[in-house]
Amino acid sequence: GENVEQHPSTLSVQEGDSAVIKCTYSDSASNYFPWYKQELGKRPQLIIDIRSNVGEKKDQRIAVTLNKTAKHFSLHITETQPEDSAVYFCAASTNAGGTSYGKLTFGQGTILTVHP
Amino acid sequence: DAGITQSPRHKVTETGTPVTLRCHQTENHRYMYWYRQDPGHGLRLIHYSYGVKDTDKGEVSDGYSVSRSKTEDFLLTLESATSSQTSVYFCAISPRQASYEQYFGPGTRLTVT
Repeated sequence: GENVEQHPSTLSVQEGDSAVIKCTYSDSASNYFPWYKQELGKRPQLIIDIRSNVGEKKDQRIAVTLNKTAKHFSLHITETQPEDSAVYFCAASTNAGGTSYGKLTFGQGTILTVHP
Repeated sequence: DAGITQSPRHKVTETGTPVTLRCHQTENHRYMYWYRQDPGHGLRLIHYSYGVKDTDKGEVSDGYSVSRSKTEDFLLTLESATSSQTSVYFCAISPRQASYEQYFGPGTRLTVT
């Protein structure tokens, strides 16, 4: 099955700096890569996603890049703000045998702390 | 919040007792999922459903069963709860198979003593 590794496990930045979180996946058939943000005690929330036919996607201060050859994808947050502090999870979804129900395999999470 | 509710939101139970968690959605989504979240493990898929009475196992299904007799409800049952099943349980829905997007419910914190 798919295996997703996420690094770093913790990341501390100053307000205004950029933050980068990286994930690698094992199954070359994976074709969908979402990122979730989870604040303390809350549900994970989808913040951005990318499909395997796209190399980069941006949404205001966040962007995701995908390198299919190397089987890794990254989340980039620019101009970080204290409200960006949360746990971020990457995930990958794989077609299996031609039928896929969108089963996601998650990374272990990154605790991002943005210091004012 | 994609119209997803979970009940109960918190539960404390004793080892060996049966426990059922409920996920309810109001928007007639076909695909529903149960995950557990534990420190250091991210979210792990327990079971999922692709329609009424259509369910399948996920990554960590041992000790859990599910049922879906109505589109709007997806039940997760721990037949005989163990301390290793202490966790936060999230239900999720996918509005469209092709999109793979999943949206999560508010979660249930379960403690097995």
